Amino acid sequence: QLIQSGTEVRKPGATVKIACKVSGYTFSAYYIHWIQQAPGKGLEWVGLVDPEDGETIYTEKFRGRVTMTADTSTDTAYMELSNLRSADTAVYYCAAARAEQGFSFWGQGTLVTVSS
Amino acid sequence: DVVMTQSPDSLVVSLGERATINCKSSQSLLYSSNNKNYLAWYQQKPGQPPRLLIYWASTRESAVPDRFSASGSGTDFTLTISSLQAEDVAVYYCQQYYRSPYTFGQGTRVEIK
Repeated sequence: QLIQSGTEVRKPGATVKIACKVSGYTFSAYYIHWIQQAPGKGLEWVGLVDPEDGETIYTEKFRGRVTMTADTSTDTAYMELSNLRSADTAVYYCAAARAEQGFSFWGQGTLVTVSS
Repeated sequence: DVVMTQSPDSLVVSLGERATINCKSSQSLLYSSNNKNYLAWYQQKPGQPPRLLIYWASTRESAVPDRFSASGSGTDFTLTISSLQAEDVAVYYCQQYYRSPYTFGQGTRVEIK
């Protein structure tokens, strides 16, 4: 139900934009969250976008470098991360959260590698 | 930020035996207006995205086997696998969604003895 765009390789300082295509439910019904998982590490919440009105909340670590958007015409959410550094190398997941019931549906993940 | 701390970091259990994972939050996750704890549990197998097992601290997600159960309130929570199966080998995470940032525990790796 959540299909993400493919693997990306970028140089330090570049920008990456990841897509998360939703199907099987009304796109605007659930918040879309983005979660980072560095190689061999745990899960870190990056932020969320409300597809209904575009409102966003970002965690402080990524604020200023991350932009999350939602396109209701294509039922697709996006996460753009700029000024990439090697520490951003990770799998990024999108997840849809039913109201107050945790992150119910997950994308397959997108590997972003930042290397010179 | 709400800090989530799981214990143990790893667990080795025999097939058919019980596995218990603990999760402690630095603040209460109990929302007084509806008496619900905003705590979820996830299972992540290698190469796969996480899978929601439990929400509201003790409500099993649909299609989750009933050998998975969870309990707790306030700041202390537990996930129990009553009879460990080979397919339960995974890393398990707790997560609070009481307030942003929606933090996760560090994960507990469950293996077969």
